[in-house]
Amino acid sequence: AQSVTQPDIHITVSEGASLELRCNYSYGATPYLFWYVQSPGQGLQLLLKYFSGDTLVQGIKGFEAEFKRSQSSFNLRKPTVHWSDAAEYFCAVIGTGNQFYFGTGTSLTVIP
Amino acid sequence: DTGVSQNPRHKITKRGQNVTFRCDPISEHNRLYWYRQTLGQGPEFLTYFQNEAQLEKSRLLSDRFSAERPKGSFSTLEIQRTEQGDSAMYLCASRLRGRTSGDVTGELFFGEGSRLTVL
Repeated sequence: AQSVTQPDIHITVSEGASLELRCNYSYGATPYLFWYVQSPGQGLQLLLKYFSGDTLVQGIKGFEAEFKRSQSSFNLRKPTVHWSDAAEYFCAVIGTGNQFYFGTGTSLTVIP
Repeated sequence: DTGVSQNPRHKITKRGQNVTFRCDPISEHNRLYWYRQTLGQGPEFLTYFQNEAQLEKSRLLSDRFSAERPKGSFSTLEIQRTEQGDSAMYLCASRLRGRTSGDVTGELFFGEGSRLTVL
C-alpha cells in the first residue's frame, strides 16, 4: 500500500538559515510526488511536484526538492528561510486509483 | 482569479444538528474532492466526483455524510446528526483530469476550507 512518512513533526530554524524537510514514500510504481504548504486556517498551496525527468525540482517561493529513488525520499529544501515561511508542510504521493496520499505534515517555526 | 471557493468558512453547531458545506471548484476542472483534516494530521480523503458522478467514497464517510455534485459544477457535503468527533476542517479540492487514462499528473487545487465545530 502507498504511504508517505514525514519523520519530523516540528522543526524550528532561525531566519536566514537553510531548511530541509524530510519525506519518505512507499509506492511500488513510479511515484508522482508533491509538496504543499498550509498557513494557519488556510487551504493547501502547491509548492512543487515531481513526475519524471530531472530529479531536482524547482518550485515557488525559492523551494526545491530532490527525488531519490534509492532512498524513497523527496526532501524539500530552501537555502535561506524567511519568517513568512512559517507554516505546515505536507508531502503527498499519487497512489492506487489515482488518489493523493498525504503525510501527517511538518510544522515549521522560524525564529528571528 | 476564480480559485476553489468554500462556504461557510466557519460553522459552529450543536451536536445532533445537520450542517451543509458548499464547494465551487475551478470551472474547467472535472474532478472534485472532499477531504477532512484534524489537528496535527494531513488531509484524509473522503470522496471524489468526476463531473456529476461520485466515483469513490472512503470508509471514513459514514452514513451520516452525503455529498452531491449536481450538474457537475458545485458540490455540497452534508453531515446529518453531527457528533463532536465530526469537528474538523473540511477541505475541497479540484483537479483537471487528463483526456487519456495515462495522464495522472494534474495537481489538486484546494479551497480555504470549512471549519466545523460541534459543541
